[in-house]
Amino acid sequence: GEDVEQSLFLSVREGDSSVINCTYTDSSSTYLYWYKQEPGAGLQLLTYIFSNMDMKQDQRLTVLLNKKDKHLSLRIADTQTGDSAIYFCAESFQGGKLIFGQGTELSVKP
Amino acid sequence: EADIYQTPRYLVIGTGKKITLECSQTMGHDKMYWYQQDPGMELHLIHYSYGVNSTEKGDLSSESTVSRIRTEHFPLTLESARPSHTSQYLCASSDIRDRDGHEQYFGPGTRLTVT
Repeated sequence: GEDVEQSLFLSVREGDSSVINCTYTDSSSTYLYWYKQEPGAGLQLLTYIFSNMDMKQDQRLTVLLNKKDKHLSLRIADTQTGDSAIYFCAESFQGGKLIFGQGTELSVKP
Repeated sequence: EADIYQTPRYLVIGTGKKITLECSQTMGHDKMYWYQQDPGMELHLIHYSYGVNSTEKGDLSSESTVSRIRTEHFPLTLESARPSHTSQYLCASSDIRDRDGHEQYFGPGTRLTVT
């Protein structure tokens, strides 16, 4: 079945790098995503990676995909207090179905 | 900027009441979705639609119902609210031309509390 797992909390200091990890079970997904949810708001797409790619960089964000281990990570360089939010990993399948992880709450301390 | 709206943002209602959560988008998207977000933050798909007059149940069983009479509107109804329905409800939409539902645009959510 389809399952996506994330650790629930991560705390870092401002200026450090943050690495948020995600594991998934179904390798038939087409894309993998990182969404950000700020308090009281909906989800905002941060970045995505096609399932046959290994890495994608987008400004401060780096996504790494290890298909063998079914592991996805999001690295945020120079983390700022404004990056404090909940980050969701998600897989998509044909037809547009998304399966989300539980979300990782990132806390950035000054 | 995503143009997807949900009302109300917050709702506190008594057990047994009928409620409708509204979701509208102005992007002309054919695909629309409802997710339930548990207090532990995980999202579960409860309903989706590929277009007018199309509605399907999602992965998580829900006592709610949906309708899709117009492309831009995807309301969710609970006929008789119960405390177990207390949750955050997120609506999303995506472009049907995007075969993989590449980007789902989310509304701000409705936080429902049933007392």
